[in-house]
Amino acid sequence: DAKTTQPPSMDCAEGRAANLPCNHSTISGNEYVYWYRQIHSQGPQYIIHGLKNNETNEMASLIITEDRKSSTLILPHATLRDTAVYYCIVRPNTGFQKLVFGTGTRLLVSP
Amino acid sequence: GAVVSQHPSWVICKSGTSVKIECRSLDFQATTMFWYRQFPKQSLMLMATSNEGSKATYEQGVEKDKFLINHASLTLSTLTVTSAHPEDSSFYICSARQPLAGSGELFFGEGSRLTVL
Repeated sequence: DAKTTQPPSMDCAEGRAANLPCNHSTISGNEYVYWYRQIHSQGPQYIIHGLKNNETNEMASLIITEDRKSSTLILPHATLRDTAVYYCIVRPNTGFQKLVFGTGTRLLVSP
Repeated sequence: GAVVSQHPSWVICKSGTSVKIECRSLDFQATTMFWYRQFPKQSLMLMATSNEGSKATYEQGVEKDKFLINHASLTLSTLTVTSAHPEDSSFYICSARQPLAGSGELFFGEGSRLTVL
């Protein structure tokens, strides 16, 4: 079962920051927070992941609360191509652990 | 990032026939691959874990005799939908983890859309 809770949908204006929340109150000490997105009719795309520190890459920033029970994915300047379903997943970063997808957040970026 | 490719990207078949979908890791060797299924407007559902050189591990409720998985090499896993029926119509997606990748992310194929008439 998915261990995360996300809002089903969000809207964002093009050029503005998109902040996507995720609750993972039962996260274990060895579990990382992963974010993937799926553009319509494509396979999921890896975005970013983290354990407890905030992370940033060329796609997004990940802010994890100090108690690790929630996190926020930030797309600093959303574009129309960022319209997708965003999945927040928790899993250990060891071995070949499978990814269990929840329902995700459908982000719609509008002009 | 690492590349995972699926073939075919879409296929239409008649009810009762079998369909094979290939998943290849193009620039790395993958001892483990995962197969997912996704129905319209739903999330991805894990079907099975494919292990190179051994039997696949199926998730609860997935018929192993209907969804045959073969992982004969470190770069190729195949999913065969046997005696396909219209209810098997779905988007099938594979994923793989590059063993040397320290960050643990999985890479996904483009997906294969199966339509059974």
